Amino acid sequence: SAVISQKPSRDICQRGTSLTIQCQVDSQVTMMFWYRQQPGQSLTLIATANQGSEATYESGFVIDKFPISRPNLTFSTLTVSNMSPEDSSIYLCSVPDPRDRGAYNEQFFGPGTRLTVL
Amino acid sequence: AQSVSQHNHHVILSEAASLELGCNYSYGGTVNLFWYVQYPGQHLQLLLKYFSGDPLVKGIKGFEAEFIKSKFSFNLRKPSVQWSDTAEYFCAVNARNRDDKIIFGKGTRLHILP
Repeated sequence: SAVISQKPSRDICQRGTSLTIQCQVDSQVTMMFWYRQQPGQSLTLIATANQGSEATYESGFVIDKFPISRPNLTFSTLTVSNMSPEDSSIYLCSVPDPRDRGAYNEQFFGPGTRLTVL
Repeated sequence: AQSVSQHNHHVILSEAASLELGCNYSYGGTVNLFWYVQYPGQHLQLLLKYFSGDPLVKGIKGFEAEFIKSKFSFNLRKPSVQWSDTAEYFCAVNARNRDDKIIFGKGTRLHILP
């Protein structure tokens, strides 16, 4: 398995500001995924972050709003820019099983960052 | 692109009742299938998964799921639920392709009455 930590665990932010969320994994992984879980909703994939290349964003999510960095194989950041109350959500990072050498199988999830925008 | 439908949004059962949560996916190719659980205040964890082989998959805590390819279904079952099974359950699918990701259903909130 992979152990994932996220910082901060929660934050309350003012409208118009930005917050950077960090995700650290205890194993080297090629891909990292960022999800959003809005209150009472399922997980929605924001983007896939590969080390050494630009992140791939899902429909409805853009780089200007959610810039992502992936400086190495164990770390990634997601920034929520120019926040509004609609961005209040739990943001999670996940990684595939580090032992995987073929088709992606199980994903391991971080504890999440609970963001409240006032 | 693949998608996942979970039929029940909110289920309330008494302890010892049997449970079946429906899940259907849409994707024409080979898939990996998952059920994840999120207990109150905790983060997501894997309940069980199907990659290949026996379509009846056994997971943790007495849960099982059956993959029926002809129906594109992967329903979750437990013969006798406990109060501690109160949680949110997510069905998820991954197209068996290096570039694809896991897509989640909307989740089913299960509430077990003591």
